[in-house]
Formats: sequence, C-alpha cells, structure tokens
Amino acid sequence: DAGVTQSPTHLIKTRGQQVTLRCSPKSGHDTVSWYQQALGQGPQFIFQYYEEEERQRGNFPDRFSGHQFPNYSSELNVNALLLGDSALYLCASSWKLAGDLGETQYFGPGTRLLVL
Amino acid sequence: QQQVKQSPQSLIVQKGGISIINCAYENTAFDYFPWYQQFPGKGPALLIAIRPDVSEKKEGRFTISFNKSAKQFSLHIMDSQPGDSATYFCAASGIQGAQKLVFGQGTRLTINP
Repeated sequence: DAGVTQSPTHLIKTRGQQVTLRCSPKSGHDTVSWYQQALGQGPQFIFQYYEEEERQRGNFPDRFSGHQFPNYSSELNVNALLLGDSALYLCASSWKLAGDLGETQYFGPGTRLLVL
Repeated sequence: QQQVKQSPQSLIVQKGGISIINCAYENTAFDYFPWYQQFPGKGPALLIAIRPDVSEKKEGRFTISFNKSAKQFSLHIMDSQPGDSATYFCAASGIQGAQKLVFGQGTRLTINP
C-alpha cells in the first residue's frame, strides 16, 4: 500500500517565479492538507481540500492556491515567490468520514523548495 | 488561542533513560492530540495520539499523559534508544470540520549511547 507521495523532492526557483507542487494521497484517503515547514519550526497549515474544494485555509496569502482532482490528488501553487517561501512543503492525507480514525493525517516526505 | 507550546526545544538523554516532552494548549475546542516523529529529510510520522476522554495512552515504549484541566499533555519515551533520536512534534486539532493540525515548535531529542 503506497503512502503519501510528493513530487518533486527538491526544487530551486528565483524570486518572482511560480511553482507547482504535487501530491498523491494514501490509498483510500479523500482529503489532502498542505503544510509549510520552515527550517527548525513546526509545520504550519496552509489549506485543506476535500471533494475538490478548499475547506479551510490557514494564515497564508492568496499567492498560495491549490487544486484537488477527481482522483483525490492535489497541487499546491505558489505565485510571485519570495525568499521567505523557502521551506519544506508537506502534504498530508486523511479520510474525512473515517470516524475515530479520521483525524489521523499521514504525511508525505515533502518537497524542499529553495527560493534564490 | 490557536497556539500549542512545546518544551524543551532540545533534550539529551542517556540510552535506557526516560525522555519526557511537554506541550500546552489554550483552545478548549481541541480534542485530538497526536505526536509526530520526524527524521532529517523526512516527513513527520504519526507516533501516537490521544483524545481527552482518557488520561493516558500507551503504545509500546511510548506513553501520552493528558491533563484536561491543566490543558497539558506530554510524551514519555521509556528505555530510550539511539534510534529514537529525532525531532518530535506535538499537535492538536478539533473534531468538527476540517482537521487542521496546529503543531508545537518541536523538540530535538538526542539519545546518547
């Protein structure tokens, strides 16, 4: 059973560019959340997608946008990159209707983004 | 109110000892408290989680203690091993709606052989 996968693993961009990160959830999961983890910090919630809609959003600007596809995979897009966007971007998947198990979020390995 | 405060920032324990990491929260709407373990270059991996209807949960060498009135919870690692050396994050979320996780700042644990 494949876990959460993310691509690419590493990415280098320059300020002002745009980037797209991809995530495939764990088999059987229908909900995808994205987190940003700066070096030495805990992950910060960006947003969550369920049924192809953004269900909740953290304190991130509109430069951060996303999409969920019918197969539950998801993309995170960041426009007009800033130096401060350099971080590990984590995707987590879960099953919305799993009851007691629904809160369990499984994380992928992340995409390391460096903005120069 | 959305913060989860974690301490200590770093911890060094001898092999075989007990590692203890503490977290505190303010938001009484939180009702799910997981702990994640993260190795360098990897994503966080769920270690153990607890709901506030129990005061303790044990899985192998890992135990969560939960104090609802104090709004505090802690992770205890018994018989700590060098392979436990990693960064540990506590987190919290609410049941209702989207399961946004609010993370602590992390504790870098080093187990000396």
